[in-house]
Amino acid sequence: AQTVTQSQPEMSVQEAETVTLSCTYDTSESDYYLFWYKQPPSRQMILVIRQEAYKQQNATENRFSVNFQKAAKSFSLKISDSQLGDAAMYFCAYRSAQGAGNMLTFGGGTRLMVKP
Amino acid sequence: EPEVTQTPSHQVTQMGQEVILRCVPISNHLYFYWYRQILGQKVEFLVSFYNNEISEKSEIFDDQFSVERPDGSNFTLKIRSTKLEDSAMYFCASRVTANYGYTFGSGTRLTVV
Repeated sequence: AQTVTQSQPEMSVQEAETVTLSCTYDTSESDYYLFWYKQPPSRQMILVIRQEAYKQQNATENRFSVNFQKAAKSFSLKISDSQLGDAAMYFCAYRSAQGAGNMLTFGGGTRLMVKP
Repeated sequence: EPEVTQTPSHQVTQMGQEVILRCVPISNHLYFYWYRQILGQKVEFLVSFYNNEISEKSEIFDDQFSVERPDGSNFTLKIRSTKLEDSAMYFCASRVTANYGYTFGSGTRLTVV
């Protein structure tokens, strides 16, 4: 079974600065997808960014980018120019590319605080 | 932008009662899911549903749980006899195909008293 680990329960960043959230995962599969989800206080799960394992190029979405290291099974999220609205729980998630169900396996989350 | 809609947003029920949580996935999506998140804990997979049948379920999804897509638009999660430990946020999600990410609903907060 796959596992996802987020080793930072809480992180803090100054507004306009850059922060990196860590995520590692364990899998024996070669083809899979990785995601970062944001969960603000409203508790809705919002997709931030996704990465296909077969792609070497790191995904980027505006101020959000990832550092995907497949051999190290590492998938960190970098938030540039942090804004107050970025404050939330961030969850890393893994999904196999095999089978019809393809459930998401989540990490334990990192609470990001943004200081004005 | 299309949304996954969940109702109600908050439900309080007495222990032992049956509850039905409702979801309307995005209309052209083919895969449907329920997840739950106990307060302060990680999000956990419950069940996936495709082609009108369950495709995967977790150990949490025991005989007390069932899912249905009764009319081609709604996707429901039923808990037959609720327990205190069923108190959680329940998220419905859907996706188009295997290559796409999920779209989550805003969740239903279930409180069992």
